[in-house]
Amino acid sequence: EVQLSESGGGLVQPGGSLRLSCAASGFAISSYAMSWVRQAPGKGLEWVSAIGGSGPGTYYADSVRGRFTISRDTSNNTLYLHMNSLRAEDTAVYYCAKRVSVLRSGFDSWGQGTLVTVSS
Amino acid sequence: AIQLTQSPSSLSASVGDRVTITCRASHDISTTLVWYQQKSGKAPKFLIYDASSLESGVPSRFSGSGSGTDFTLTITSLQPEDFATYFCQHFYDYPLTFGGGTKVQIK
Repeated sequence: EVQLSESGGGLVQPGGSLRLSCAASGFAISSYAMSWVRQAPGKGLEWVSAIGGSGPGTYYADSVRGRFTISRDTSNNTLYLHMNSLRAEDTAVYYCAKRVSVLRSGFDSWGQGTLVTVSS
Repeated sequence: AIQLTQSPSSLSASVGDRVTITCRASHDISTTLVWYQQKSGKAPKFLIYDASSLESGVPSRFSGSGSGTDFTLTITSLQPEDFATYFCQHFYDYPLTFGGGTKVQIK
């Protein structure tokens, strides 16, 4: 069974840093494109970042480019999101999501989310 | 970046009603559109891929259509468990943007 479990959220001051983790089980993250998606309180979904399945490509929303870095550790099957220079508008629940496959669109598996609150 | 505009942003309907939600893309995205359902406090659930293909396990009352810039999600005979917020998303290129969402409420 495919499972994703995020951790690492919490309260951080503006300008601070945080690292989110997404532990995967039931599949190898090295074989699938993975993304981070966030949802601010009471708002819609916002795609944040992706890392390619087989290749090294990484992609970012304009709102986080230069501040956030996506990475993965295939030895422990974990996806990460390193977040620097955090702003109040980064406050959201952050989900990790697995793309169905290279040829098929869609995120078919999601974690439960981890809340990041940026406030002084 | 490709923008997705969903309408309406909310609607009220009764059990048994037919509901249609639209998603318009700012550029031609072929059929690289998917739909999700999200209930309060939960992660999104994958419903439809390639604009019109039903994900395994999703009830057949859900259907999608469209290509290019105009897409629709239809729920025939709305059920109590269908009251939720629905989002479209494209996979044409990065960034992978979402529509603003449509909240389906009980009339």
